Amino acid sequence: GAGVSQTPSNKVTEKGKYVELRCDPISGHTALYWYRQSLGQGPEFLIYFQGTGAADDSGLPNDRFFAVRPEGSVSTLKIQRTERGDSAVYLCASSFQPSSYEQYFGPGTRLTVT
Amino acid sequence: RKEVEQDPGPFNVPEGATVAFNCTYSNSASQSFFWYRQDCRKEPKLLMSVYSSGNEDGRFTAQLNRASQYISLLIRDSKLSDSATYLCVVNRGSTLGRLYFGRGTQLTVWP
Repeated sequence: GAGVSQTPSNKVTEKGKYVELRCDPISGHTALYWYRQSLGQGPEFLIYFQGTGAADDSGLPNDRFFAVRPEGSVSTLKIQRTERGDSAVYLCASSFQPSSYEQYFGPGTRLTVT
Repeated sequence: RKEVEQDPGPFNVPEGATVAFNCTYSNSASQSFFWYRQDCRKEPKLLMSVYSSGNEDGRFTAQLNRASQYISLLIRDSKLSDSATYLCVVNRGSTLGRLYFGRGTQLTVWP
């Protein structure tokens, strides 16, 4: 079956611009996660959704970052006034339930802020 | 202090070698433990969970020492296809679903 998909696969933007990153989880998965991975580091948690609501957004680095999941399926991560330090691979994952041990990751969106 | 600490390597071993990776975690409340594998420029994928009694999956053996807050992964009879980054991962019960990743240990198996 289809896995987690993310679009775009690559995004280059100028400092100060706004970007949106999209995630399509596996059908039927209620839990959705966003992580950010910088070069040479492991993924770092940003936010997780259970259904439509953000159950834990404690990993968002500041108020320039925001995420939504209005219908409990597709999620969008939004970054305002991008900075060069935001450059990273943004990974989305989903699991059947939050307590499910296996999270299935999408291929990521590589964001480059110039 | 980072939640999960790993030696980044790199480890370069010949085919057929046995190699071991270790990691430590800082929060004693951690409840679930995993090894994920990540190929170059690809997403992480679950390799195996780690249980208190230790567990084995083919050539891979994982061990957990809760007292020392230490997790290990042993790979026997290394294959070229084992070349990847291995991520040590923990989950605290209090933060349901959220995973804490180490920075990963890079392994290259050469012929």
